[in-house]
Amino acid sequence: KAGVTQTPRYLIKTRGQQVTLSCSPISGHRSVSWYQQTPGQGLQFLFEYFSETQRNKGNFPGRFSGRQFSNSRSEMNVSTLELGDSALYLCASSLGTADFSGANVLTFGAGSRLTVL
Amino acid sequence: AQSVTQLGSHVSVSEGALVLLRCNYSSSVPPYLFWYVQYPNQGLQLLLKYTSAATLVKGINGFEAEFKKSETSFHLTKPSAHMSDAAEYFCAVSSAGGTSYGKLTFGQGTILTVHP
Repeated sequence: KAGVTQTPRYLIKTRGQQVTLSCSPISGHRSVSWYQQTPGQGLQFLFEYFSETQRNKGNFPGRFSGRQFSNSRSEMNVSTLELGDSALYLCASSLGTADFSGANVLTFGAGSRLTVL
Repeated sequence: AQSVTQLGSHVSVSEGALVLLRCNYSSSVPPYLFWYVQYPNQGLQLLLKYTSAATLVKGINGFEAEFKKSETSFHLTKPSAHMSDAAEYFCAVSSAGGTSYGKLTFGQGTILTVHP
């Protein structure tokens, strides 16, 4: 089955602009989580959406926001971009509940690499 | 709160040698533990997961990990390294239930280099 699709894969923006990233999850998955990956801070959890509702969020400023649509596709938006927002943004799709093993396994997309100049 | 510590940001081995990547976790509830691998310019790929069914977990590409509660460890091993194993490896922890399902807490990663 098709994997997690993230678009765009690469983008360059300037400080002060805003950006919207898109994530299409695996069919049947109702949860989409977003992560920021940087060399200095590593992988950090941004937020998770489940059935169109934000269920959990990490410790990021309000400039980072997201939403989920009825077909489970998700978008995240970063407004008033700063140089420090340059990162690989990873989306992960999952059932959002325990599978037969008791865990909820995340499947990641290839990421969107954002460069802020 | 949960946390993960990966000992050694870089590990170098020769092809055919044992691979050992260390991971220690902290969790106030029974954890679910994962190892992911990331190749350059790609996302994360699941290698294996621990869910309390068995302490020795086998994953893809010949990797396995052993859960040791007394040591709060979940080290990743592979008996014989292959050049294609060169990548960055991440250990992660989560807890089940409620709002925690979609959140993983990752270690800082270990870059594995394999020499011919």
